[in-house]
Formats: sequence, structure tokens, C-alpha cells
Amino acid sequence: QQQLVQSGPEVKKPGTSVKISCKASEFKFGSTVMQWVRQARGQRPEWIGWIVAGSDRTKYAPTFQERVSLTTDMSTKTAYMDLSSLRSEDTAVYFCADGSGSLGHWGQGTLVTVSS
Amino acid sequence: DIQMTQSPSILSASLGDRVTITCRASENINRWLAWYQQRPGKAPKLLIYTASSLESGVPSRFSGSGYGTEFTLTINSLQPGDVASYYCQHYHIYPWTFGQGTRVEIK
Repeated sequence: QQQLVQSGPEVKKPGTSVKISCKASEFKFGSTVMQWVRQARGQRPEWIGWIVAGSDRTKYAPTFQERVSLTTDMSTKTAYMDLSSLRSEDTAVYFCADGSGSLGHWGQGTLVTVSS
Repeated sequence: DIQMTQSPSILSASLGDRVTITCRASENINRWLAWYQQRPGKAPKLLIYTASSLESGVPSRFSGSGYGTEFTLTINSLQPGDVASYYCQHYHIYPWTFGQGTRVEIK
């Protein structure tokens, strides 16, 4: 059963960037669609985008298009989300998940706090 | 963007009750809808996909129905472990969006 383990909490200043990792346990990582979703405290989840592991095929939500980059490292079976130009509104828990529509397996979440 | 609206926002019911949550889409999404359960401090857990398909390992007291713009999640015989927030999510066109959530409590 797929397990996704994310990196630890981050505290960042406005205008900087954050890079979160998501390590998959499944032997078959290639061609897996890795999704990223964030959730601010007390709010609904917000879809960020996806990447097909092992490829440069990506799809980003328009809200994040200019500031996000999703990548994968096949040698370590790890997905990464890089979000730049951080602002206070980006404070949220960021989740990775797998699936090409519905999201079947989720990481535990990474809290990103943006504060001066 | 397609707007997803859930009702009610909070649902209080007794153990053993049958509860129903509704999710409405602002336009036709066919059957491209999922339901998630989220307990406090945890990641969402997939319950239902393509509107009515039960995810492996999810108890059969959970069921989903609907097509087009109106969907329901039903929990038969509410259990203590069902206390959580429930979200619908469409994946018909980009960007995918979620409902605002329904919090289920025990009366």
C-alpha cells in the first residue's frame, strides 16, 4: 500500500520560497500522478497541481501557475513542490497525494507558516 | 471555475442514524466527483470516487449517488468514528475544486 511521507514544518519570510518533499514507498513510482493540495486553517482544501512522476508533464491551477514548480526524483521516489514569492496568505498545510482525479493516498501534511 | 456547495455546513445526529450530505456543482460535472473524510489534524481520506464507487477498505455504510450537478453522501448507522468533516471534490475540468465541507457531530 502506497505511503507518502512529507518533509517537516517550515517557517518562511514573505517574498522567499519553500520546497516541500514527498517520498513514496511504492516500488512503482514511475507514471504515478502526484498531486499537491493545500488547506488553510478552517478552510476547504485547494488544489495546486499535479505532475506525472518521471516526466515533465505538469498541470497547475491558474492561481499558482506563476509561482509553483512541481518536480520528481525517480532515484529517490520523491516528489517536490516549490512555491515562490510567499505571502502571508500562503500559510497553510500542504499535502501531497496520488491519483489522476480522486486522490487515493495522502501524505501527512506539511505546515508552512509565512510570517515576517 | 466550478463552484462546489455543500449542505448542511454542520450536521448533528445520533449514533445509529442515517445521515445525508448534499453537494451541488455550479455546472455539469458528469460523475467526476469524490468524497473525503477528514478528522481533525489529519489528511483527508478518500471514501467515494466517480460519485458512487466505494474506495477499497471503506465501510459499506458509506455510499454515494448523483450525476450532473447534484450529489449525495450517505452514512448509514452513524458511528463514533464518523465524527469528522466531509468534503466533496470535482475533477471534471481544471481547476479542480472542493466544497466548503460538512462537519458531522454526535448529538
